[in-house]
Amino acid sequence: AQRVTQPEKLLSVFKGAPVELKCNYSYSGSPELFWYVQYSRQRLQLLLRHISRESIKGFTADLNKGETSFHLKKPFAQEEDSAMYYCALSAYQGGSEKLVFGKGMKLTVNP
Amino acid sequence: SQTIHQWPATLVQPVGSPLSLECTVEGTSNPNLYWYRQAAGRGLQLLFYSVGIGQISSEVPQNLSASRPQDRQFILSSKKLLLSDSGFYLCAWTGTSGETQYFGPGTRLLVL
Repeated sequence: AQRVTQPEKLLSVFKGAPVELKCNYSYSGSPELFWYVQYSRQRLQLLLRHISRESIKGFTADLNKGETSFHLKKPFAQEEDSAMYYCALSAYQGGSEKLVFGKGMKLTVNP
Repeated sequence: SQTIHQWPATLVQPVGSPLSLECTVEGTSNPNLYWYRQAAGRGLQLLFYSVGIGQISSEVPQNLSASRPQDRQFILSSKKLLLSDSGFYLCAWTGTSGETQYFGPGTRLLVL
């Protein structure tokens, strides 16, 4: 069964500190992974996808198939990074696609 | 505790047939409710959101409609399905503070 685990519910750091939001997945096929972000009182939006291998707002995430992880990292956090972050796995099954979300993690960046 | 349900889990429908997907939330009152769709190979797209009974906002023009007949019930419908309606549909809710989204298990729709 497909599963996405975000082991930490809360993370609080000071501005300028590095952040790493952990995500582990369980999937027998070839995974496609995403990070979504929800800023306060806004709708959910896509932050980045592993297949695009890009850096968005200073965030990067590398897919590690050996460790089945897709951790989100930023070397220097900013206050505007405070938000809920969701890791998600796209899985094909029976000819159709399904998106599985982790439970999310709240990042707070303090001044 | 709050829970969110969606059904059916999987649906295969012919082109031109009607659609009704249901989402219900338990354990909370006056939630904000959302319908998302994930088309093949893409991220989530917000289709509709609702802040109260009978209040529906549409994000993108499409073949679908949404209704909220009760406080904790959100329905996604179509009168005539298109092939392009195939995808994975997720319902989500937030409290009035709107800070955290909680997702349902989703419905896989295949239109043939």
